Amino acid sequence: QKEVEQDPGPLSVPEGAIVSLNCTYSNSAFQYFMWYRQYSRKGPELLMYTYSSGNKEDGRFTAQVDKSSKYISLFIRDSQPSDSATYLCAMSGVVRKLIFGQGTELSVKP
Amino acid sequence: NAGVMQNPRHLVRRRGQEARLRCSPMKGHSHVYWYRQLPEEGLKFMVYLQKENIIDESGMPKERFSAEFPKEGPSILRIQQVVRGDSAAYFCASSPGDTIYFGEGSWLTVV
Repeated sequence: QKEVEQDPGPLSVPEGAIVSLNCTYSNSAFQYFMWYRQYSRKGPELLMYTYSSGNKEDGRFTAQVDKSSKYISLFIRDSQPSDSATYLCAMSGVVRKLIFGQGTELSVKP
Repeated sequence: NAGVMQNPRHLVRRRGQEARLRCSPMKGHSHVYWYRQLPEEGLKFMVYLQKENIIDESGMPKERFSAEFPKEGPSILRIQQVVRGDSAAYFCASSPGDTIYFGEGSWLTVV
């Protein structure tokens, strides 16, 4: 079993839809949780960072961490075609050694 | 504010040659990391460095791979005697402490 599980998709939604992306994990020591967006042939771009449990909102993006269920989510409201990318969850017990999910490929259709 | 700078962006090497990938962290960041993204696989941690010190190299292959972050100049990831299986995207990242920011990557192709 992988330490971090992420549905690879692909996920296709119409413009304006609410997108829900999820990861589950098995290591209860994880306390740093991040979401990255990666466009083709580009580096991962940090979207959201959460320490321990709770919710965090930044514009159209909301990150949720439920440590009791070992489950994290990223919600994208009013999705745009420019949001089409691969979304990577990442987490760690210490910052330096992020464990990444496989990534979910998202396509937002105009 | 410049981000994490990596070069070269694309590198082609023949089997048996050496590959050198360079990384300059974001200004003010003293922590440098290298990750590798193999085709159809996720990003995997390789090594964590601070100036003149390797802090954690638990993700580095035991042979042919080495990394350094000298007092002056960029961090270098060196792959000796490359093989086809080394073809991948190599990402450098830097951190001010709690979050990690990635560069655009260096794509290595071994022919």
